[in-house]
Amino acid sequence: GAGVSQSPSNKVTEKGKDVELRCDPISGHTALYWYRQSLGQGLEFLIYFQGNSAPDKSGLPSDRFSAERTGGSVSTLTIQRTQQEDSAVYLCASSLGGGPSEQYFGPGTRLTVT
Amino acid sequence: RKEVEQDPGPFNVPEGATVAFNCTYSNSASQSFFWYRQDCRKEPKLLMSVYSSGNEDGRFTAQLNRASQYISLLIRDSKLSDSATYLCVVNRGSTLGRLYFGRGTQLTVWP
Repeated sequence: GAGVSQSPSNKVTEKGKDVELRCDPISGHTALYWYRQSLGQGLEFLIYFQGNSAPDKSGLPSDRFSAERTGGSVSTLTIQRTQQEDSAVYLCASSLGGGPSEQYFGPGTRLTVT
Repeated sequence: RKEVEQDPGPFNVPEGATVAFNCTYSNSASQSFFWYRQDCRKEPKLLMSVYSSGNEDGRFTAQLNRASQYISLLIRDSKLSDSATYLCVVNRGSTLGRLYFGRGTQLTVWP
């Protein structure tokens, strides 16, 4: 079956612009996670959705970052007024439920802020 | 202190070698443990879960020492295709499911 998909695969934007990143999880997966990976760094948790609600937003680095999930499926991560330090690969993962289920990752969106 | 610490390597070994990676975690409440593999410019993929009694999957053996908060991965008879970054991953066992990742250990297997 189809895995987690993300779009766009690459995004180059100018500092100060807003960007939207999209994640389409595996059908039937109720849990959805956003992580980011900066060059040479480990994966950094951003936010977790269970259904449409986000019980854990603790990883969002600033109020410029927000995310939503509608219909218990697709999620968008929005970064407002992008900064150069936002440059990273943004990875989305989904799992059947919350808790320690296996998380399946999408291919990521590589964001470059110039 | 980071939640999960790993030696970043790189480890460069010949085909057929045995190589071991170690990782420590800081939160004693951690409940679930995993090794993920990440190929260059690709997404992470689950390699294996780590169970308290230790577990084996083919050439891969994982061990957990809760008292020392230490996890290991042993790869026997290394193949060229094992070249990747190996991520030590921990879950605190709550219902929230957030994973904590180490920075990864880079392995290159040469012919």
